[in-house]
Amino acid sequence: AQSVTQPDIHITVSEGASLELRCNYSYGATPYLFWYVQSPGQGLQLLLKYFSGDTLVQGIKGFEAEFKRSQSSFNLRKPSVHWSDAAEYFCAVGASGGSYIPTFGRGTSLIVHP
Amino acid sequence: DAGVTQSPTHLIKTRGQQVTLRCSPKSGHDTVSWYQQALGQGPQFIFQYYEEEERQRGNFPDRFSGHQFPNYSSELNVNALLLGDSALYLCASSLWGGQGSYQPQHFGDGTRLSIL
Repeated sequence: AQSVTQPDIHITVSEGASLELRCNYSYGATPYLFWYVQSPGQGLQLLLKYFSGDTLVQGIKGFEAEFKRSQSSFNLRKPSVHWSDAAEYFCAVGASGGSYIPTFGRGTSLIVHP
Repeated sequence: DAGVTQSPTHLIKTRGQQVTLRCSPKSGHDTVSWYQQALGQGPQFIFQYYEEEERQRGNFPDRFSGHQFPNYSSELNVNALLLGDSALYLCASSLWGGQGSYQPQHFGDGTRLSIL
């Protein structure tokens, strides 16, 4: 069965600083990988996804993520964080050739200082 | 263009009661999935409905059941509520692309269920 580990429960950055959120997955075959964002009191919004091809994936809101098979990682990055990026971020893995129903990590809470 | 709407937004129940949560999918979508998100956790997949049938199910007991109506809206029913059922319940809609086909999901804002 697939699983996702997000090792950081909270991350604090200053506005304008760069950001990297870590995600490690466990899956026996080629995974399908997702990053979602959840603002307080709201549902999830898909930031980006990786299925195959270029391992550097561009998403919405200036986010990108890099798939590294050798490290079983799919870290999310942003070069300059805005105060509006403060939210909960979830990494998820879906079974390749299956239903694409994502298995989520427990999330990383991003706090942005002015 | 309305997105995914869920009702109610908040609900308080006591142990042993039954609850029904409702979801209207985004316009044009025909598939509805339900997720449970406990406090401090990521969402967990409960089940997915298409053509009024349960197509996939996660690791949840039979106390959790659902229904999809001809207009594609859906209900999640939970019987014999436990304290551990307290969570945010998220509905997501999508187009059915066939088994094994990816279609992006659009999430509602959820129903916050509290069990006393």
